[in-house]
Amino acid sequence: SQTIHQWPATLVQPVGSPLSLECTVEGTSNPNLYWYRQAAGRGLQLLFYSVGIGQISSEVPQNLSASRPQDRQFILSSKKLLLSDSGFYLCAWTPDPSTDTQYFGPGTRLTVL
Amino acid sequence: DAKTTQPPSMDCAEGRAANLPCNHSTISGNEYVYWYRQIHSQGPQYIIHGLKNNETNEMASLIITEDRKSSTLILPHATLRDTAVYYCIARSYNTDKLIFGTGTRLQVFP
Repeated sequence: SQTIHQWPATLVQPVGSPLSLECTVEGTSNPNLYWYRQAAGRGLQLLFYSVGIGQISSEVPQNLSASRPQDRQFILSSKKLLLSDSGFYLCAWTPDPSTDTQYFGPGTRLTVL
Repeated sequence: DAKTTQPPSMDCAEGRAANLPCNHSTISGNEYVYWYRQIHSQGPQYIIHGLKNNETNEMASLIITEDRKSSTLILPHATLRDTAVYYCIARSYNTDKLIFGTGTRLQVFP
């Protein structure tokens, strides 16, 4: 069966520090991968999605970047965190883009102080 | 993708049916209606989706009006564990993105 992992589960970082969040999917190949952010009390905002290795689409201009170095690995990064980067970061995957039922990981709660 | 409108919150007694409405009056012919829910501090969970016909699975039923301008998610016997934010999303068949709104916060009480 397929499984999606995210780590770390929680993270507290100072303003200006770098960030690296990792997402991996097991039990599938060539999935579509997504990064979402959910600010406190808000809905989910799509940040990036990827249809294959090295292929990244950015949905909103921001302080973050994404990379997909391997088929089942999706990384969210920042060189210098801002206070506004705080939030709940969720990775999701789709086994079949034609149906687009997305399955979400457990999330990473990031607090920037 | 069509915009959806949901009430911000609803209450439901445990054991009763929870009927969550969603308006999508600008939905186009190739857009599906998806429902997800998010329990506090967890990632969203897929519930059900449909195009024109009513759908049912082990979690819920989806009733779509004939003109497709609105739909209702039905949890037939709500439990306390169904307390969550429920998102209704209209999504084109040929896009890869889900656009989440603010959803309906369902509170199931004993």
